[in-house]
Amino acid sequence: DGGITQSPKYLFRKEGQNVTLSCEQNLNHDAMYWYRQDPGQGLRLIYYSQIVNDFQKGDIAEGYSVSREKKESFPLTVTSAQKNPTAFYLCASSTRTAEAFFGQGTRLTVV
Amino acid sequence: DAKTTQPPSMDCAEGRAANLPCNHSTISGNEYVYWYRQIHSQGPQYIIHGLKNNETNEMASLIITEDRKSSTLILPHATLRDTAVYYCIVSPGAMTTDSWGKFQFGAGTQVVVTP
Repeated sequence: DGGITQSPKYLFRKEGQNVTLSCEQNLNHDAMYWYRQDPGQGLRLIYYSQIVNDFQKGDIAEGYSVSREKKESFPLTVTSAQKNPTAFYLCASSTRTAEAFFGQGTRLTVV
Repeated sequence: DAKTTQPPSMDCAEGRAANLPCNHSTISGNEYVYWYRQIHSQGPQYIIHGLKNNETNEMASLIITEDRKSSTLILPHATLRDTAVYYCIVSPGAMTTDSWGKFQFGAGTQVVVTP
């Protein structure tokens, strides 16, 4: 079935370590997105990519990095520079003319 | 991007219609109105979107005012499974701007459907 797969669902890391969250889609969508959600809050855009090998910062890009080497994949690295990395991370993809589809998210806890 | 305003919460009785309002008074001509919902701890689910005309699908109806400054999402027969946070978003269409598809989520409306 087509869709977006985020892995892992739960992730624990020690403070100061970088961690990479995976996002893969087989929908042949051009654009992919990463959002962060804190408890009781809406989604905030971290990075987005409209085409392979290109991406733009969203509203809260500091402390995060991404790559888009393949159309299907848009991994997010949470670096040690991110001061409050514990959050729910959501990946999405879309075509140029239609709605975005979301993955089921990765819940990152930094201890 | 245009911003949206939604009530923070609303209750609805099971089996009744739920009407969710959204104000987007600064919407631009090339911006669509999208609705998503998020059930607790899951990824948001697309519901419906429109530009000018009213839209209907198997999940809901979207009514957009003639001046496009507000819209209403209608869930015709609410069920307990419709309990979720509902987000109204405006986003530019493709081909018109380099920020196409950039979805800005607000706090949304927490809808609770009661038996």
